[in-house]
Amino acid sequence: QVQLQQWGAGLLKPSETLSLTCAVYGGSFSGYYWSWFRQPPGKNLEWIGEISQRGSTNYNPSLKSRVTISIDTSKNQFFLKLRSVTAADTAVYHCAREAMGFRGGFDPWGQGTLVTVSS
Amino acid sequence: DIVMTQTPLSSPVTLGQPASISCRSSQSLVHSDGNTYLSWLQQRPGQPPRLLIYKISNRFSGVPDRFSGSGAGTDFTLKISRVEAEDVGVYYCVQATQFPRTFGQGTKLEIK
Repeated sequence: QVQLQQWGAGLLKPSETLSLTCAVYGGSFSGYYWSWFRQPPGKNLEWIGEISQRGSTNYNPSLKSRVTISIDTSKNQFFLKLRSVTAADTAVYHCAREAMGFRGGFDPWGQGTLVTVSS
Repeated sequence: DIVMTQTPLSSPVTLGQPASISCRSSQSLVHSDGNTYLSWLQQRPGQPPRLLIYKISNRFSGVPDRFSGSGAGTDFTLKISRVEAEDVGVYYCVQATQFPRTFGQGTKLEIK
């Protein structure tokens, strides 16, 4: 059974770069898109972007200027970088897998990482 | 962006009774490939989201058959035939027909 485990710094200062890693255990990268989401406290889920095995990316236009999603298939990991963070970027960040065969089939999800931006 | 609107935002339900959640999109979710990429997710308290339904009505692996999805175009519904205690949580619809993917505001299901 595929599991996603994520980690990264949980406390950042304004203007710093958020960096998260999502490791894939028990499955292949092939045939899937690998996505990042976030959920500010008490607010709605927001899609950040996705990457394919080949490194093809799609980003939310609202974050595109600050986001980079990358992948390392040799380590079965993919990554999120969000530059120049502000308090508005405080959220629980999730990684998830999406099957190429059915878009919107986001499963499984990582456990979530709370990232707080505060001076 | 496609705006997803869920109703109700809160749904108190008696155990064993049915529940229904509506999701409406600001434009048709029919993709150029003919599929409609509308999914439903469940988020139990303190847990990450879990996929329940994809492409309107397909139950994901391991999802109980009391969950069902229906709809077409811009109007979709998630139904729970008989609510159980473990169904408490927030339910989201999400569209994957267009970028960026967008979510409904969430419907909080609670037991009366």
